Amino acid sequence: GAVVSQHPSWVICKSGTSVKIECRSLDFQATTMFWYRQFPKQSLMLMATSNEGSKATYEQGVEKDKFLINHASLTLSTLTVTSAHPEDSSFYICSARDSRELGSEQFFGPGTRLTVL
Amino acid sequence: DAKTTQPPSMDCAEGRAANLPCNHSTISGNEYVYWYRQIHSQGPQYIIHGLKNNETNEMASLIITEDRKSSTLILPHATLRDTAVYYCIVSANFGNEKLTFGTGTRLTIIP
Repeated sequence: GAVVSQHPSWVICKSGTSVKIECRSLDFQATTMFWYRQFPKQSLMLMATSNEGSKATYEQGVEKDKFLINHASLTLSTLTVTSAHPEDSSFYICSARDSRELGSEQFFGPGTRLTVL
Repeated sequence: DAKTTQPPSMDCAEGRAANLPCNHSTISGNEYVYWYRQIHSQGPQYIIHGLKNNETNEMASLIITEDRKSSTLILPHATLRDTAVYYCIVSANFGNEKLTFGTGTRLTIIP
């Protein structure tokens, strides 16, 4: 299947700092990318959907000014957690698909574990 | 809200077929059935998807009932590496249609 990478795989930061997470589709054009968050022992929760060249659509309850998403190219989306706090510590996972193809599957990245001290 | 119902957990003996059920009684005509699995501390892995016909690939088989209200994922010869949480998701998945994850089934393969 198609490959989606994330960088970094884990990050530890101090409270109040900002952290950027990259999501790349390595062998296909990702017209749509999704960002999820997963807390321990819970399921994945969608945070936002982004289309290349457009503003992201955020799920209810997700602060768009805190979680900045940029999808400037067909192979790269970034999630920036601004002014991170300990409650933002979580497993962040991106997924990507070529939304021009009907019924195509989403491919997920390996996830980024964020720990805010 | 998730549109599927799955048992919270299942055990299966190594080498046997693992059959994971999923109910999706409110599925719409243009919605596909997707199966993903998540091994601990990793991103979800795509397994298989289908619309109305049964599907098979190198990982698994997907059996969808004729009325499309339920389906079964079959891992033909389960190994210890198949221990994971399995998610059944229905989605139209065109354009920006999103995948909504429920709680899934935690499958444990017993040696």
